[in-house]
Amino acid sequence: SQTIHQWPATLVQPVGSPLSLECTVEGTSNPNLYWYRQAAGRGLQLLFYSVGIGQISSEVPQNLSASRPQDRQFILSSKKLLLSDSGFYLCAWSRLWTGHGYTFGSGTRLTVV
Amino acid sequence: DAKTTQPNSMESNEEEPVHLPCNHSTISGTDYIHWYRQLPSQGPEYVIHGLTSNVNNRMASLAIAEDRKSSTLILHRATLRDAAVYYCIALRNQGGKLIFGQGTELSVKP
Repeated sequence: SQTIHQWPATLVQPVGSPLSLECTVEGTSNPNLYWYRQAAGRGLQLLFYSVGIGQISSEVPQNLSASRPQDRQFILSSKKLLLSDSGFYLCAWSRLWTGHGYTFGSGTRLTVV
Repeated sequence: DAKTTQPNSMESNEEEPVHLPCNHSTISGTDYIHWYRQLPSQGPEYVIHGLTSNVNNRMASLAIAEDRKSSTLILHRATLRDAAVYYCIALRNQGGKLIFGQGTELSVKP
């Protein structure tokens, strides 16, 4: 069966520090991968998606970047964190573009102080 | 992909049915209706999806209006564990990215 791992679960980082969040998927190959962010309250925002190694599409301009160095690995990074980067970050995968195929990770709660 | 409109919040009593409405008046003929829910401090999880016909699975039922401009997610017997934010999303089956709106926050009273 397929599983998605995301870590760490919580993170407190000072303003200006770098960030690296990692997501890995097991039990499937060539998945579509996604990074979402949820700021305080509701509102899940799609940040990046990837359909293959080295292929990254950005949905909104921001202080973050994403990379996909391996087929089942998706990394969210920042060189210098801002206070506004605080939020709940979720990784997800799907095999196809069909909406019902999305599986989400357990998320990373990032607090920038 | 069509815009959807949902009530911000709804309340239900435990063990009673819950009908969560969603309007999607601009939906096209190839847009599927998807429902996800997000439990507190967790990522969203898939609930159900459909195109034209009503759909049932172990989690819920989806009733789609004949003109497809609205749909209703039905939880047949709400439990406390069903308290979550429920998202209705309309998108093309091919080439669609899952874009979330504000959803409906369902609270369940014992």
